[in-house]
Amino acid sequence: AQSVAQPEDQVNVAEGNPLTVKCTYSVSGNPYLFWYVQYPNRGLQFLLKYITGDNLVKGSYGFEAEFNKSQTSFHLKKPSALVSDSALYFCAVRDGPTGGFKTIFGAGTRLFVKA
Amino acid sequence: EAQVTQNPRYLITVTGKKLTVTCSQNMNHEYMSWYRQDPGLGLRQIYYSMNVEVTDKGDVPEGYKVSRKEKRNFPLILESPSPNQTSLYFCASSLRDAPGAFFGQGTRLTVV
Repeated sequence: AQSVAQPEDQVNVAEGNPLTVKCTYSVSGNPYLFWYVQYPNRGLQFLLKYITGDNLVKGSYGFEAEFNKSQTSFHLKKPSALVSDSALYFCAVRDGPTGGFKTIFGAGTRLFVKA
Repeated sequence: EAQVTQNPRYLITVTGKKLTVTCSQNMNHEYMSWYRQDPGLGLRQIYYSMNVEVTDKGDVPEGYKVSRKEKRNFPLILESPSPNQTSLYFCASSLRDAPGAFFGQGTRLTVV
C-alpha cells in the first residue's frame, strides 16, 4: 500500500537561511512524487514533481527536491528562505504509470519563515 | 484562464439533506479527483476519475458518490450528509501524461 510521511508538523527558519521540509514514502512500484503548497484560504498549488530521470528536480519559486531511492525520500529544499514562503506544504505520491490517479498525501508541514 | 472551479465555496446544511458540490475544469484534463482536508490528516482522496464514465474509490469513499458524464465536470454528491463529513473539500484535475494536478479553491462544508 502507498504511504507518505512528513515527520515534522512544523519547520521554523530565519529568512535567508536554507530550508528543508522532509518527506518519505512507500509505494509498490516506481513512484511519482509531488510537492504542493497551500497558502491560507487557498487551494493547493503544484510546486514540482519527480517522474523519472535526474534525481534533483527544480520547481516553482526557487524550490527544488531530491529523490533518493535508497532512502525512499523526497525532501523539499530552498537555498534561501523568504518570509513569503511561509505556508503549508504537502508531499504526495502516486504509484507510477500503473497507479492511475490514486494519490496519497502526507499530513502536511507548516513552514514559518521569520524575518 | 486555466482553472478548476468549485461551487459553492461555503455551505452549511443539516444532517440528511442531500447536496451536490460541483467541479468543472476548462483544460480538457482526463483525470479528476475529490479530496477532503482535515486538520492533522492532510488530504485524503475520496474518489477519482480517469476519464468519462470511469470512476474509482479513493481512501475515504463512504458516504459519497460521484459521476463523470462529461469530461469537464465531476460533481460530488452527499446523499445523506452527516456531521463527520464536515470538512474542506477540494477538486483537482490533471492530464494523464503530465501528472501535476490543478486544484480548485475549495468548498468548506459544515453539516449540523
